[in-house]
Amino acid sequence: DVKVTQSSRYLVKRTGEKVFLECVQDMDHENMFWYRQDPGLGLRLIYFSYDVKMKEKGDIPEGYSVSREKKERFSLILESASTNQTSMYLCASSLYGRAERAGELFFGEGSRLTVL
Amino acid sequence: GNSVTQMEGPVTLSEEAFLTINCTYTATGYPSLFWYVQYPGEGLQLLLKATKADDKGSNKGFEATYRKETTSFHLEKGSVQVSDSAVYFCARPPPGGSYIPTFGRGTSLIVHP
Repeated sequence: DVKVTQSSRYLVKRTGEKVFLECVQDMDHENMFWYRQDPGLGLRLIYFSYDVKMKEKGDIPEGYSVSREKKERFSLILESASTNQTSMYLCASSLYGRAERAGELFFGEGSRLTVL
Repeated sequence: GNSVTQMEGPVTLSEEAFLTINCTYTATGYPSLFWYVQYPGEGLQLLLKATKADDKGSNKGFEATYRKETTSFHLEKGSVQVSDSAVYFCARPPPGGSYIPTFGRGTSLIVHP
């Protein structure tokens, strides 16, 4: 089975701290995604990556950056955490690029971040 | 455009009731369609999929039929259980030239004993 592992299930950080959220997938997937999920807003894409060192902004990239130095790892970075970044963060990966099954994503269990 | 529209929740049912969660999509081509489920405190997982028109996807007692004529992919279950309480997301692949699938907003299902 494909496994997507997020490094932390729960984090509590202070305003202004630098925060790293790590995600690792074990099935050699090309594409990786970071979403945030907030009540009533569904899933919102922050960044995605379709190859090592390649990244593209999603719908809400402000306040975030990402790193993909290795194919299996996609990191989300909050340079200076703010209270409005308190949220559930979901990492996902997919094998297919633009093909018909490109909607088939594998998700991690999520990282719930609280910024005080 | 490329969109997926789901009925708003929460949907509240008693155990053993019949479930329908509506999903419609804009028809740019005939994409595969997906339903995901998110149990409390977890990430999303693929529940079922259909790859072409008139296909029926099924899993764990849930079914959805890909209806081209109505551009719909409604999720149904004949008899829900408390353990089905979750958020359900409809999704489709990205439009041509994009890598990013489109998700509906999600529909929360609450099943009471």
